[in-house]
Amino acid sequence: NAGVTQTPKFQVLKTGQSMTLQCAQDMNHNSMYWYRQDPGMGLRLIYYSASEGTTDKGEVPNGYNVSRLNKREFSLRLESAAPSQTSVYFCASDRRRSDQPQHFGDGTRLSIL
Amino acid sequence: EDQVTQSPEALRLQEGESSSLNCSYTVSGLRGLFWYRQDPGKGPEFLFTLYSAGEEKEKERLKATLTKKESFLHITAPKPEDSATYLCAVQKTGANNLFFGTGTRLTVIP
Repeated sequence: NAGVTQTPKFQVLKTGQSMTLQCAQDMNHNSMYWYRQDPGMGLRLIYYSASEGTTDKGEVPNGYNVSRLNKREFSLRLESAAPSQTSVYFCASDRRRSDQPQHFGDGTRLSIL
Repeated sequence: EDQVTQSPEALRLQEGESSSLNCSYTVSGLRGLFWYRQDPGKGPEFLFTLYSAGEEKEKERLKATLTKKESFLHITAPKPEDSATYLCAVQKTGANNLFFGTGTRLTVIP
């Protein structure tokens, strides 16, 4: 069981470039999430998708867009990357039940020069 | 304002030296409190969920407890492989997402 798979693992961009971070889960989970983790701060929610076909903003959505492609896949797009978006990005998923925890991928480490 | 505060930021223990990590929270309507372990270069790995004050859960050398204002992660006789960052997160009633603390970085010295 792969769980939550994120690609790429590392990426370096120049300011103004665009890219899409990919996330796929094989646990038949309904809900999927994108977080960013910065030094000295907790993981912060960027966007989430409670179920296939729906997306909602989290705490820090500015500069990002998301697509819930199907039940398995949830992508995060940076249209015009800025140095402030240098971070580690984590995708997570869960069954959307109170007794089920979120499962995380191993992250994408993104540097924007 | 919702807040999750973890202390200490970092903790160094000798192998076998028991201790506790603290997670204090202020949230309007707690649905659940979660503990995760994070190793360098990896994503958070789920450890425990606690739902109500007085609840306790154990896994190997770890025991998590919950009160109305805080949670403790007790580590009994730790081993070097317990070295990691431990994250606490809360989920509010009616919400899907987790609200994380900044973590405690634990180092266990052989």
